[in-house]
Amino acid sequence: GAVVSQHPSWVICKSGTSVKIECRSLDFQATTMFWYRQFPKQSLMLMATSNEGSKATYEQGVEKDKFLINHASLTLSTLTVTSAHPEDSSFYICSASLVSSDTQYFGPGTRLTVL
Amino acid sequence: DAKTTQPPSMDCAEGRAANLPCNHSTISGNEYVYWYRQIHSQGPQYIIHGLKNNETNEMASLIITEDRKSSTLILPHATLRDTAVYYCIVRAHTGGFKTIFGAGTRLFVKA
Repeated sequence: GAVVSQHPSWVICKSGTSVKIECRSLDFQATTMFWYRQFPKQSLMLMATSNEGSKATYEQGVEKDKFLINHASLTLSTLTVTSAHPEDSSFYICSASLVSSDTQYFGPGTRLTVL
Repeated sequence: DAKTTQPPSMDCAEGRAANLPCNHSTISGNEYVYWYRQIHSQGPQYIIHGLKNNETNEMASLIITEDRKSSTLILPHATLRDTAVYYCIVRAHTGGFKTIFGAGTRLFVKA
């Protein structure tokens, strides 16, 4: 149980295009989902907290108009990187909390490469 | 900022116990100690968590000191597949609280 999936697992796009990453909780309902970014040889950095049915809360320094987050249901959150640039190339990871427990379970990550 | 301090790296021989320390001297009464690990190019994997009592599951044991200012994660019989970065995290157990990652400990299990 407590499985989180992400799609796609990797994506390559051209500079200026937008990319959508999906995060799904497969066997549980998640009222809260989190999005992280990880650069090579660095730790995970929290980007935003997403609650079902409400606007996401972004961490300081994260552009909310660039990283659009939608959490439309208890099992799906999406992160859209708008007008992607090479510096947005990174490993994006989501996590989800069970409704009745606060242990976070992480997805396998999505590697974004912007050319 | 992360509220924990861990050694940057450790070695362990295959088959031996791996003991990973973590200092969290500013932990609050309502904060739990969580351990995750991240194998290269994968998402973090939940290992174990506890409040003040020692905990054990199929993956590991968690020993928390009586004053709760430090803890040790024990992998009883390390295998090569346990090579990963191990993160010790403290966070409150109320809804939606953030998990902030520190630098973690890079564990190398050697044959």
